[in-house]
Amino acid sequence: DSGVTQTPKHLITATGQRVTLRCSPRSGDLSVYWYQQSLDQGLQFLIQYYNGEERAKGNILERFSAQQFPDLHSELNLSSLELGDSALYFCASSGGQQYNEQFFGPGTRLTVL
Amino acid sequence: AQKVTQAQTEISVVEKEDVTLDCVYETRDTTYYLFWYKQPPSGELVFLIRRNSFDEQNEISGRYSWNFQKSTSSFNFTITASQVVDSAVYFCAFLRTSGTYKYIFGTGTRLKVLA
Repeated sequence: DSGVTQTPKHLITATGQRVTLRCSPRSGDLSVYWYQQSLDQGLQFLIQYYNGEERAKGNILERFSAQQFPDLHSELNLSSLELGDSALYFCASSGGQQYNEQFFGPGTRLTVL
Repeated sequence: AQKVTQAQTEISVVEKEDVTLDCVYETRDTTYYLFWYKQPPSGELVFLIRRNSFDEQNEISGRYSWNFQKSTSSFNFTITASQVVDSAVYFCAFLRTSGTYKYIFGTGTRLKVLA
């Protein structure tokens, strides 16, 4: 158990809808990262937050947004969903710098029908 | 542009064999990090190693070892005396540490260790 929790584990929704994925980092970790893993795109880094502020951005679509709250949990919001957004979304946390070891959550599997 | 290539899509070995997973990267950056991750059938990602571009020393951790060669832009991963529990998808990743943040993963190598 990495200590990172993600909810929900599975999510099934329809095209055009909006969903929110939640991540709780390991106790004491200030950085949260979001990743998308799909058959088409492979594993992609989406975005990182550090202590509530956006730190780095990867291949995140404009339809997606994230935030990190004062209690350090993070949410990834996906809107106007398309079939191609179906993927496994991972959250990871680390103690500080971007280059530190990251601890991954179990992922949320999103299916868009 | 930065790129990570894992040319081996799938490798099958018999238990106790040694196996090497290849990772080749492309970059003009002088400072960067390289990583290896394991994704077992259960699906979670597990960090294995991080290597700074200035540190070309090989590393050994139990049955795992890593060979980093800047001259050939490679960061290969060897499992000695493989075990069935090593069956997983292994990802190599590149992290740019200067300029625009870029964290790029290879396409992964699926390792099957047969009993």
